[in-house]
Parts: sequence; structure tokens; C-alpha cells
Amino acid sequence: GENVEQHPSTLSVQEGDSAVIKCTYSDSASNYFPWYKQELGKRPQLIIDIRSNVGEKKDQRIAVTLNKTAKHFSLHITETQPEDSAVYFCAASTNAGKSTFGDGTTLTVKP
Amino acid sequence: GAVVSQHPSWVICKSGTSVKIECRSLDFQATTMFWYRQFPKQSLMLMATSNEGSKATYEQGVEKDKFLINHASLTLSTLTVTSAHPEDSSFYICSARDSNSFRNEQFFGPGTRLTVL
Repeated sequence: GENVEQHPSTLSVQEGDSAVIKCTYSDSASNYFPWYKQELGKRPQLIIDIRSNVGEKKDQRIAVTLNKTAKHFSLHITETQPEDSAVYFCAASTNAGKSTFGDGTTLTVKP
Repeated sequence: GAVVSQHPSWVICKSGTSVKIECRSLDFQATTMFWYRQFPKQSLMLMATSNEGSKATYEQGVEKDKFLINHASLTLSTLTVTSAHPEDSSFYICSARDSNSFRNEQFFGPGTRLTVL
């Protein structure tokens, strides 16, 4: 089955700095890669996603890159703000919709 | 956007009892729904894929007789935790895919926190 590894497990940055979270996956059939932000006790919220036919996608301060050959994808958050503090999960999904999640990254943005 | 609801949002029960959790897609049809379990400070672990009108597909290590899944309509899936024990205490989250959309996006319910005493 699919195996998704996510690094780092914790990340602390100063407000205004950039944050980068990286994930690797194992199943070449995976073709959809969403990123979720989860606050304590809440549901995961989709913040950005990318499909395997695209190498990069950007939405304001958030960007995702995908290297299909190397089977890794990354989340980039620029100009971080304290409200960006949360747990972030990457996931890899096939056409069947079944998603495998990474272990999560706890991001802390210090004011 | 697509909305998924879950009920109840939290439940406390005695060991040995059964608990049913409902997952509903409110404004779209979902032939496929997913049930996840999340322990504190851990990731979401897929328990099973719920298929409308057919049997659920369980992940390895998940007991199908303990976690009963029923997906009787295009908008409702239920998860019943049978003979619950304290180790079943967790955050249970469902998600659903829009059957009429080509997108792979999953829409998550708000989760149900189960505490077994």
C-alpha cells in the first residue's frame, strides 16, 4: 500500500519568515496530493492541492510543488503569521479517492 | 462548498456498550465515504471505505465485526463501535467524495469524540 512520510514533525519560525514542509510517497499510482491544516479538535481543512500533471501551484502565500519522478511534494508558506500555527498534514490519493496521510507537522509561528 | 455533518459531536459511554456515529453529505451525493480515527497528536488513520449499497472495505488490522459500517443511501454512512472499550476512545472523522465531481477532493465531517469509561 501507499506510504507517506512527512518532515519535519515540528517547525518553529519567526513571524514573516517562510515555512517549508516536505513529503514523500511510495505509490506511483497516487495522482492527487492535498495539504490540510488542522486546528486542535477540529476537522482537517484543505488549504491547497495539486494533481500529478502539474508541477507547481500557488495560492497567495501558499504554494505546493510536486516532483513526480522523485515522488515528493512540498508545502511552502511565505510571510508566516501567528494564525498559521496549526498541524499540517500532507496526503496522497489515487483515483479511488483513498487517501494516505503523513504524520503531520506542528507549525508554530512566533510573533 | 460541500458540507459534511457528523452526529454526535461527542459521546461518553460505558465500557461494553455500542455507539453509532452518523456521517451525512448535506448538499451532494457520495457513493464513497471514508472513516478515519485520530488519536491525540497523531495522524488520521483510515479505518475503512464505505461504499453505498455494498460492503465496506476495511484496512488491515481493523476488525469489521467491531466497527460496523452501513452506507444505505447516497448521503448517509454510519459507523457503529460495538462493545466499546477504553482503548476505542478516539476522535472519529468521516469524509465524503462528491460522486458527480471529477475532483478527488474529500470533504471532512467535524468529527466525533468518543470517550469510553
